[in-house]
Amino acid sequence: NAGVTQTPKFRILKIGQSMTLQCAQDMNHNYMYWYRQDPGMGLKLIYYSVGAGITDKGEVPNGYNVSRSTTEDFPLRLELAAPSQTSVYFCASSYSLQQVATDTQYFGPGTRLTVL
Amino acid sequence: GNSVTQMEGPVTLSEEAFLTINCTYTATGYPSLFWYVQYPGEGLQLLLKATKADDKGSNKGFEATYRKETTSFHLEKGSVQVSDSAVYFCALSSYTGNQFYFGTGTSLTVIP
Repeated sequence: NAGVTQTPKFRILKIGQSMTLQCAQDMNHNYMYWYRQDPGMGLKLIYYSVGAGITDKGEVPNGYNVSRSTTEDFPLRLELAAPSQTSVYFCASSYSLQQVATDTQYFGPGTRLTVL
Repeated sequence: GNSVTQMEGPVTLSEEAFLTINCTYTATGYPSLFWYVQYPGEGLQLLLKATKADDKGSNKGFEATYRKETTSFHLEKGSVQVSDSAVYFCALSSYTGNQFYFGTGTSLTVIP
C-alpha cells in the first residue's frame, strides 16, 4: 500500500495563477481532509469530505475549492493564488463507521507551496 | 467550541532525560485525543491515542493519559533519545463534528 500520496512536493506560483494539488489514498478510507500548516502554527483544516460526492468547509476554506468524485482522490484547487496561501499543505484520510470522524488520520508527505 | 492548547517550545533535552509536553483541551461532547509526531520533511504520524476518560495511550515508550477532570492529555517519556527529535502535536476529534483540532506543535530537540 502506498498510503496517502501527494503531488507535487514543491511548487512556486505567481500571484493570480491557479493550480491543483493532488491527493490520493489506496486504503479505501471514506474520510479525507486538506490542511495547511504555516510556520510555527498548528494545522488548520481547509476542507474535508466524508465520502465520494460530499465535501464541506473547514476552518479556513476561502481561496480554495475541492471535489471528491471517487473514494481515492481528493484534489485541492487554488484559483487565484495569493501570497497568503504560501504554506505547506497536507492531505489526510481516515476510516470511520460512525457519523463523525473519531479515528486515526493518515497523512501524506505534504506539498510546499510558495506564492510570489 | 473545540480547541487544543499545548506547551510552547522549543524544548531541548539531553539524551535519557525525562520528557513532558503539556496539552489541555476544550471540547463539547466526548472527544478522542491524539498525539501526532512530525519528523523533519515528513507528514504527521500517529504516535498514540485515547478514546475515553482514564484511557492511557502508549507507543515507543511514550505515554499519555486522558484526564477528563483536568481536561488534559500530557505526553511523557521516561528516557528520550536523539531519534525522538521532532515536532509533537496534540489533537482532538469530537463527536459534535467531523473535524480534528490540532495544537500548535512543540518542537523537541534531543542532544547527545
